[in-house]
Amino acid sequence: DAKTTQPPSMDCAEGRAANLPCNHSTISGNEYVYWYRQIHSQGPQYIIHGLKNNETNEMASLIITEDRKSSTLILPHATLRDTAVYYCIVSPKGGSSNTGKLIFGQGTTLQVKP
Amino acid sequence: DAGVTQSPTHLIKTRGQHVTLRCSPISGHKSVSWYQQVLGQGPQFIFQYYEKEERGRGNFPDRFSARQFPNYSSELNVNALLLGDSALYLCASSWWAMTPGSYYGYTFGSGTRLTVV
Repeated sequence: DAKTTQPPSMDCAEGRAANLPCNHSTISGNEYVYWYRQIHSQGPQYIIHGLKNNETNEMASLIITEDRKSSTLILPHATLRDTAVYYCIVSPKGGSSNTGKLIFGQGTTLQVKP
Repeated sequence: DAGVTQSPTHLIKTRGQHVTLRCSPISGHKSVSWYQQVLGQGPQFIFQYYEKEERGRGNFPDRFSARQFPNYSSELNVNALLLGDSALYLCASSWWAMTPGSYYGYTFGSGTRLTVV
């Protein structure tokens, strides 16, 4: 079972920031928070990951709470092309039990509207 | 550089038949993972192979098998197809090593859409 809880859907206006929350209250000390997204009919795309510090790259920012029990993915200026299902995954590096296994939940369907 | 390539992109099979799906990882990636994604659900882990050895297996029946070749490409085989095997089958490759501190990023292909009728 997935170790994360995400809202099933969210809307965001084009050009505004999209803030996608994720709860992972049972996260272990060696587990990272990964975010992937899946645009319709494509494979999941890696966005960002972090352990306990906030992270930023060209796609997004990841804010992890101090207790690491929740995180927020921020798309600073959402575009229509950001419409996708966003998955929050907690996993040790190398996947669960070092097997490479990523456990996907249901994700959040983000709809960016004009 | 080419990404993860999967073939075929679409496939229709009849119940009871056998199917082979193929995956070529990104150059330099030695790990290949397979996932099944049923419509409306997140991907479910099937197998991971690293250096031609099975490193992980998900909760799938023995009808599912896989192998990895010396060039790190991989095949997923499914025997005795059931209607419930209809899904998008995803392959992900990674530069993966059992070294603490190494970066593990998974790059997914676009998948093979399998329809069992």
